[in-house]
Order: sequence, then C-alpha cells, then structure tokens
Amino acid sequence: RKEVEQDPGPFNVPEGATVAFNCTYSNSASQSFFWYRQDCRKEPKLLMSVYSSGNEDGRFTAQLNRASQYISLLIRDSKLSDSATYLCVVNLRGSYIPTFGRGTSLIVHP
Amino acid sequence: SAVISQKPSRDICQRGTSLTIQCQVDSQVTMMFWYRQQPGQSLTLIATANQGSEATYESGFVIDKFPISRPNLTFSTLTVSNMSPEDSSIYLCSVVPGNEQFFGPGTRLTVL
Repeated sequence: RKEVEQDPGPFNVPEGATVAFNCTYSNSASQSFFWYRQDCRKEPKLLMSVYSSGNEDGRFTAQLNRASQYISLLIRDSKLSDSATYLCVVNLRGSYIPTFGRGTSLIVHP
Repeated sequence: SAVISQKPSRDICQRGTSLTIQCQVDSQVTMMFWYRQQPGQSLTLIATANQGSEATYESGFVIDKFPISRPNLTFSTLTVSNMSPEDSSIYLCSVVPGNEQFFGPGTRLTVL
C-alpha cells in the first residue's frame, strides 16, 4: 500500500461547481499535512496547510480526519483558473522529508 | 520564503552522456533536496544535500548515478550520469526554510 494515496482523476467539472478531493495516508505517525497545487509544466506551490480543526481560505476548505487517516480539499464555485494538479503532502512526526501523493488532476471547463 | 532558480530549464541529451543541473537559492539554507517527477507521477526524493558533508540518498538512488555537490549554503548541483531514456523526467530542487516547502522551476530532461 502506498504511503499517500490520491485518486489521480481527472476530475472534469463545469465552472461554478463544487469539487472535493480525498487523500489517504498509511502512517498513523503522520503529523503535518498540506495541499500543494501544481500547474502544468510548473513546480508545486503550497496551497494550504491542513490543521486538525480544519481550515478555510476563501473558496478552499481543507479537513483532516485522523481516525480514518485521510485529508480532504473542497473547492467551491470552481474557476477556470483552478485547473491544475492538487498534491497531497504528509510529514511524519520529527521528519523533515515529506511524502507526496501522485496528485489529483482537476479540469474546470466553461 | 525562498526563491529558487535552476539551470538548465530543459535539455535533450544522448544516452550515455551526463548532465549537471544547478540550483541557486536566494537565502542560506541548511538542507537542499533533489526530487524527480516522472510523467504522471508524484515527486520522488532522490537525495538530501547538506553543506560540508556527503549527500544522503534515498532507497533506489546511488551516488555514482546521481552525484551531488553542495559547496555552500545557497547552491547545489545534481548530476545525472550515464543517462538512459528511463532518466527522462523533471528534476526539481527544493528547500524548506520554515514550515513551507519551496521548489525550483524544474529541469525537464529528455534522453534519446
């Protein structure tokens, strides 16, 4: 079983739709969680950290479920510019080396 | 934050040759990381480069194939040696100055 698993998609949604991605992790010692965004032919960039209490940044909401070992990313009112690959990233406690999921591809169409 | 530049941005190479990728950071960092991202795949850590000591390689990667230099706290190089088509990939360097990981723009390598 892979350490961090994501549905690769692609998720193909119309503008204005709400879309959710899940990511599961296998190591219960995981401590830090992040969502990164990677545009085509670009490097990954931090989208948001994921806190135990959940956090929201505009149209984006991230949640963590430690009991079930998954994190989620919800995007409301999708924009064309949201089209990208979303990478789930997990850090073990005490480790500076994160583990990346393979990413979920999102395509928002007019 | 950190601003990272990489050179070259892309290259097409013949099998059996070697390519050295340079990574420059705008601030001093203790560790620099080298990743590989193959088409449709996630990022795979190749090695961690520490200034003043040998790099630490992840399972499946060896120094003879991917020698790394780290002459100071703002610069590192990764060499892809004796290349084969399987080495075609994007190579990214990365730093973690705080809680956020920053990546260079990547070097897109194609081996014929």
